Amino acid sequence: EAGVAQSPRYKIIEKRQSVAFWCNPISGHATLYWYQQILGQGPKLLIQFQNNGVVDDSQLPKDRFSAERLKGVDSTLKIQPAKLEDSAVYLCASRSAGTQTSTDTQYFGPGTRLTVL
Amino acid sequence: GNSVTQMEGPVTLSEEAFLTINCTYTATGYPSLFWYVQYPGEGLQLLLKATKADDKGSNKGFEATYRKETTSFHLEKGSVQVSDSAVYFCALRTYTGRRALTFGSGTRLQVQP
Repeated sequence: EAGVAQSPRYKIIEKRQSVAFWCNPISGHATLYWYQQILGQGPKLLIQFQNNGVVDDSQLPKDRFSAERLKGVDSTLKIQPAKLEDSAVYLCASRSAGTQTSTDTQYFGPGTRLTVL
Repeated sequence: GNSVTQMEGPVTLSEEAFLTINCTYTATGYPSLFWYVQYPGEGLQLLLKATKADDKGSNKGFEATYRKETTSFHLEKGSVQVSDSAVYFCALRTYTGRRALTFGSGTRLQVQP
């Protein structure tokens, strides 16, 4: 079974530029998450999708961050304009549908490391 | 709100030493608890999990027991190897409110030969 795919793996931009990250979850996984992991910290949720609908975007800085999952499969996270403090690893994760503990597990992609200069 | 507190690292051990990484949590509701591991240059991988009180999760020689009375989920391994060098994250997920994972800040383990 293929895992969660993310691209690019690395990105360096200057502040005020825009950037986009792409995620393809595990086939059949209805729930998709984007996390931000700042160096030395644990991942923090930015946004959660269930199919193509947003479940939780309360932690997403909406003045500069946006995300979509138009067909309920792959997803794009965009930052415009970027700030220095956006330097982090952006992780995508997916989970199969359902509320049983057997479907609890989130599977993570390798992440995109963003450096804002 | 939900939170996870882990012991600060780095933890440096010699090969075959005993490992404990402490993790305590605060949660609304009745969470599931997880340990994730991040090897150098790789993504987060689920190491083990427990979904109810007194459950013991285990994998690759690592164990953790869900202790509701002390709100803890400490990670242990009897004999570490150099290949266990990584960053370990404790996390929780509840079934009320936000359903995503809440992570601790991570503990770096360095195992020396």
